[in-house]
Amino acid sequence: EIVLTQSPATLSLSPGERATLSCRASQSINTFLAWYQQKPGQAPRLLIYDASNRAAGIPARFSGSGSGTDFTLTISSLEPEDFALYYCQQRSNWPPITFGQGTRLDIK
Amino acid sequence: EVKLVESGGDLVQPGGSLRLSCAVSGFTFRSYTFHWVRQAPGKGLEYVSTISTNGGATYYADSVKGRFTISRDNSKNTLYLQMGSLRAEDTAVYYCARDLNWGFFYSWGQGALVTVSS
Repeated sequence: EIVLTQSPATLSLSPGERATLSCRASQSINTFLAWYQQKPGQAPRLLIYDASNRAAGIPARFSGSGSGTDFTLTISSLEPEDFALYYCQQRSNWPPITFGQGTRLDIK
Repeated sequence: EVKLVESGGDLVQPGGSLRLSCAVSGFTFRSYTFHWVRQAPGKGLEYVSTISTNGGATYYADSVKGRFTISRDNSKNTLYLQMGSLRAEDTAVYYCARDLNWGFFYSWGQGALVTVSS
């Protein structure tokens, strides 16, 4: 099973700042990685797939990068609605599909 | 509008059974692979199961293999998850999700809460 480790667990930033979230895989997953955003009481929402492709309707301030074992989700300038939980997820060599444990993005 | 609506969540005793449904509209149901993903209270996301477009291929997490069965009815645009031998650790919100690129979750339902408790 491929383990995804997200860091940091919590990130406290202010609106307008740049956010950088990391996801590290226990073995190479090529670019078979996605990022999701989840707000309290809501289902997750797909942001990025195949490491760097924005899903439909996702603002351009969200970008993804990386390949192999190290991946990054960047939010270029935080909007108030961006403060949420973020998960990475891999689809290489499944089942099982696996998720990271999440990064909580808090308002500073 | 793409819509996935889960139903069937309930309180069930350990060892009991439950069937979840996911009604889909707004796109061609039979053309897509679907998944179930769950989230225990206050916890992260956990993959549960996958079914291919015609139902010929199914996959399960080890934690539910042999107890849960995924199925679909393409004539009713509905996905199912039959859950048996339920345990306390199966307590979670269960989401159905449409596939993207064979293994990503493109769109999600709002979730159905399953509580396993005596």
